[in-house]
Amino acid sequence: ILNVEQSPQSLHVQEGDSTNFTCSFPSSNFYALHWYRWETAKSPEALFVMTLNGDEKKKGRISATLNTKEGYSYLYIKGSQPEDSATYLCAFSYNNNDMRFGAGTRLTVKP
Amino acid sequence: DVKVTQSSRYLVKRTGEKVFLECVQDMDHENMFWYRQDPGLGLRLIYFSYDVKMKEKGDIPEGYSVSREKKERFSLILESASTNQTSMYLCASSLMASQETQYFGPGTRLLVL
Repeated sequence: ILNVEQSPQSLHVQEGDSTNFTCSFPSSNFYALHWYRWETAKSPEALFVMTLNGDEKKKGRISATLNTKEGYSYLYIKGSQPEDSATYLCAFSYNNNDMRFGAGTRLTVKP
Repeated sequence: DVKVTQSSRYLVKRTGEKVFLECVQDMDHENMFWYRQDPGLGLRLIYFSYDVKMKEKGDIPEGYSVSREKKERFSLILESASTNQTSMYLCASSLMASQETQYFGPGTRLLVL
């Protein structure tokens, strides 16, 4: 069984705080790592797809890093805003066909 | 923009009923997926399809079946709904499998009484 672990399960921060969370995945048979943001009452939306060890991606205040050798990815949010409140999902692809999702980190940003 | 739509946002059914959840995508994607999401668990794959009339079991196919008669439409069928199938159901589509982004529908929250 291929487990994808995300930590923490939930996080409460104040507006303006920077925060980060972790996605851990098996380091063998790596194919791709995806991050999605899922806001309440909306569809999950893709943030990043990363395929190479050492990849770093950035979109506005959100960035992600990838370490395929040790099997983890970090998602960073700089200067959190209330609109960043969402569940952040990572998904690990281990071949061309299959993907496993983590349970997500639920972020709440208080004004 | 890719659009994935699901037939219902909320659905209430009784135990033993046959339930159809419909999903339509408008971007000519080959691949379509059905997931369920339960509190504390990740999205779990029920079934997926790489082409018309083609289907593959995911991690939790028991109690479900699927149909893909047309490229744009992927249906999830609960042959005889049970209370443990109360969940949020999400449909997704993508161009290829795991390196491409999956585009999700808004989800159907199903309650089986």
